[in-house]
Amino acid sequence: KAGVTQTPRYLIKTRGQQVTLSCSPISGHRSVSWYQQTPGQGLQFLFEYFSETQRNKGNFPGRFSGRQFSNSRSEMNVSTLELGDSALYLCASSFQGSSTDTQYFGPGTRLTVL
Amino acid sequence: DAKTTQPNSMESNEEEPVHLPCNHSTISGTDYIHWYRQLPSQGPEYVIHGLTSNVNNRMASLAIAEDRKSSTLILHRATLRDAAVYYCRSGFNFGNEKLTFGTGTRLTIIP
Repeated sequence: KAGVTQTPRYLIKTRGQQVTLSCSPISGHRSVSWYQQTPGQGLQFLFEYFSETQRNKGNFPGRFSGRQFSNSRSEMNVSTLELGDSALYLCASSFQGSSTDTQYFGPGTRLTVL
Repeated sequence: DAKTTQPNSMESNEEEPVHLPCNHSTISGTDYIHWYRQLPSQGPEYVIHGLTSNVNNRMASLAIAEDRKSSTLILHRATLRDAAVYYCRSGFNFGNEKLTFGTGTRLTIIP
């Protein structure tokens, strides 16, 4: 079956702009998590959605938001971009987001803020 | 929040076993331990997971300490294709902020 897809793969924005990233999970998966990855910082958890509800949120400012649609596809939005938002943004889907579940990651969206 | 720590980097010779450690200092009794690896320019991929007992699959073995405060990913015969960043994960229960990946160990394989 098809894997997790993320669009776009690369994005260049300038400070102050906003950006929307999209993630399509594996068919049947209802949990989608988002991560920010910067050099030396590993995988920083942003938030997790399950059945259109945000269940869990990491320690990021309110400029970072997300949503999930009825088909489990998810989007994340970053408003008023800062230089420090330049990173690889990864989404991961799993069946129900429990401790036993394997997460399947997409290839990521590389965001560069100039 | 759960705290998961790993060494920043490790090196190993090709075709020798590799033991990658992870400390799960605040893991709870029902949290599974997962390991993922990230090859260059790719998203992380699943390697193995377990709860209490040791686990084996075609990619690796997972050894879990009796108190579950630490685990070790074992690659039995490392190849150049195993060069990657390895992440351990514990605590993925929704509804509370226990989700945590370790900072990752960059594994270098020496030919």
